[in-house]
Amino acid sequence: GENVEQHPSTLSVQEGDSAVIKCTYSDSASNYFPWYKQELGKRPQLIIDIRSNVGEKKDQRIAVTLNKTAKHFSLHITETQPEDSAVYFCAASTGNYGQNFVFGPGTRLSVLP
Amino acid sequence: DSGVTQTPKHLITATGQRVTLRCSPRSGDLSVYWYQQSLDQGLQFLIQYYNGEERAKGNILERFSAQQFPDLHSELNLSSLELGDSALYFCASSRPGQGENTEAFFGQGTRLTVV
Repeated sequence: GENVEQHPSTLSVQEGDSAVIKCTYSDSASNYFPWYKQELGKRPQLIIDIRSNVGEKKDQRIAVTLNKTAKHFSLHITETQPEDSAVYFCAASTGNYGQNFVFGPGTRLSVLP
Repeated sequence: DSGVTQTPKHLITATGQRVTLRCSPRSGDLSVYWYQQSLDQGLQFLIQYYNGEERAKGNILERFSAQQFPDLHSELNLSSLELGDSALYFCASSRPGQGENTEAFFGQGTRLTVV
C-alpha cells in the first residue's frame, strides 16, 4: 500500500521567512496530493492541492511542487506569519470513486515573532 | 463549517464500555473515512466506506467496527474500551469527481476520553 513520509517533524522559522515541508510517497499510482493545516484542537482543513498532471501550483503565499519521477512533493510558505503556526499534513491519494487518502505524520510549524 | 457533522463532540466513558460515534457526510459525498488522532500525533487511518461498502482498512483494532448506512451516514463502534483509546476521532468525506480525485472534508471530531 501507499506510504507517505514527511520531513521535518518540527520547524521553527522567524516571521517573514520562508518555510518548506517535504513529502515522499511510494505508490506511483497516486495522482492527487492535498495539504492540510490543523490548528490546535481543530479539524484539518485543506490549504492547497495538486494533481499529478501539474508540476507546480501557487495560491498567494502558498505553493506546492510535485516531482512525479522522484515521487516527492513539497509545500512552500513565503512571508510566514504567526497565524501560519499549526500542524501541516501532506497526503497522497489514489483511485477515484472511492479514493483513499494516506497522510504523512505531520509537521509542526512554529512562526516566531 | 465543512458540512461534515460528527456527534457527539465530547464523550467520557469508563474502561470496558462501548460507544458509538456518528458521522453525517456532506450532501452528495459517497466516501466516508475514519481517523484516530491521539495527543500530538498524526492522523491514523482506521477505515473507509464508499457508498455503503467497506473500501479500505487501516490499523483498526478488532474491538472497533464501523458501517455506512443506506443514507450514507456512518457509525464507528468502539468496544471494550481501554485508556489508550482516548483520542480525537475524525470523520471525513469526499465526493467522486467524475474521474478526478477530490479533497476530503473533515468533521470537527469527537473527543473520546476513557477513564
